[in-house]
Amino acid sequence: EVQLLESGGGLVQPGGSLRLSCAASGFTFTNYAMNWVRQAPGKGLEWVSSISGSGSSVYYADSVKGRFTISRDNSKDTLYLQMSSLRVDDTAVYYCARGIRGHPWFFDIWGRGTLVPVSS
Amino acid sequence: EIVLTQSPATLSLSPGERATLSCRASQSIRTSLAWYQQKPGQAPRLLIYDASNRVTGIPARFSGSGSGTDFTLTINSLEPEDFAVYYCQQHSNWPTFGQGTKVEIK
Repeated sequence: EVQLLESGGGLVQPGGSLRLSCAASGFTFTNYAMNWVRQAPGKGLEWVSSISGSGSSVYYADSVKGRFTISRDNSKDTLYLQMSSLRVDDTAVYYCARGIRGHPWFFDIWGRGTLVPVSS
Repeated sequence: EIVLTQSPATLSLSPGERATLSCRASQSIRTSLAWYQQKPGQAPRLLIYDASNRVTGIPARFSGSGSGTDFTLTINSLEPEDFAVYYCQQHSNWPTFGQGTKVEIK
């Protein structure tokens, strides 16, 4: 079964750091671009970051550029999001999502999400 | 940044009726548009990509159309499990999502 499982969320203070992980299973991880998408409580979806299958290309939303770093370990089938200088408005459920092969900017498999509340 | 505007914000319909959801882009995105369904407490689910390509396993009552700036998601004969929030998403440059349309039971 194709599956993504996020972990690492939890309460963090403004200015703090956190690393999210997303474990993939059921597919050849290195063949797919991967993404992080977040959703603030009661709000819509916001794309955060993307990384190519090899990890050589990365992309960020302006709202997180310079503060978040996306990476992947293809030997462990795991995607990461290192978040630093966190702000209250970063509070959200963070989903990892797989890009469709050939259409990497559309997301066909999603994890259940991990909640990151940023509060003092 | 390309802005996607979805309308209406809420659609109140009865099971068996047809739902027509609109998504308008602030500039042409050709057919670089997807539709997602999200139910409370769940992750989004991809329904349609490239404006009209239905994902494998998605029922045929879901269809997408449009190009350029105007797009439509049609759900023929609503089933009880179709009541949810629907988002459009473009990737002409960086991915952005619309604000969502809630399809609720009338």
